[in-house]
Amino acid sequence: GAVVSQHPSRVICKSGTSVKIECRSLDFQATTMFWYRQFPKKSLMLMATSNEGSKATYEQGVEKDKFLINHASLTLSTLTVTSAHPEDSSFYICSRAGTSGTSEQFFGPGTRLTVL
Amino acid sequence: AQSVAQPEDQVNVAEGNPLTVKCTYSVSGNPYLFWYVQYPNRGLQFLLKYITGDNLVKGSYGFEAEFNKSQTSFHLKKPSALVSDSALYFCAVRDGFKAAGNKLTFGGGTRVLVKP
Repeated sequence: GAVVSQHPSRVICKSGTSVKIECRSLDFQATTMFWYRQFPKKSLMLMATSNEGSKATYEQGVEKDKFLINHASLTLSTLTVTSAHPEDSSFYICSRAGTSGTSEQFFGPGTRLTVL
Repeated sequence: AQSVAQPEDQVNVAEGNPLTVKCTYSVSGNPYLFWYVQYPNRGLQFLLKYITGDNLVKGSYGFEAEFNKSQTSFHLKKPSALVSDSALYFCAVRDGFKAAGNKLTFGGGTRVLVKP
């Protein structure tokens, strides 16, 4: 079964509003989770690494004030898209790190965000 | 720095024929290599990985991949493709010298279309 869940699976919002996406690790206390953005027919772009109890590490070019990440517990990381605009419309996917140094990442089902 | 190249945007194959999806990588340390599959509007599903050991790795759904250090390649293969294998496939690499929380770098993805 799924080991990472995301909520909501899809959301439509008006321009200027903020949207929160939740990512839960269902089977493991994850100190590290990742947030990706995927454009249509494109690869995954890592946005940030979410670290439990500390600030997220953002990739170059990702606005940390626009994409707020909170990893307040070992099973939950949230991504808030603040003051969303149509260009923020995308498919957002989270993952959790593996349980060991050789393990794969486990991905959530993704959240489709549409900003009108 | 690490990178992954998937030279083919799309691969078309007839059902029952062999399927190959190409991947080459670049990483400074030991390569940890992964293949994931994505179905429409879904997250990524893990197929297989190479960490160490035998160069031929077997994974889910009859897929396998061969690690070739001299050619820095990790091509995905399936002896007999099914229509249900039609999906988007991603190759990814991580530096094995670093901790499990280290980020993956993905290739651009290859769309596989298996025709009946």
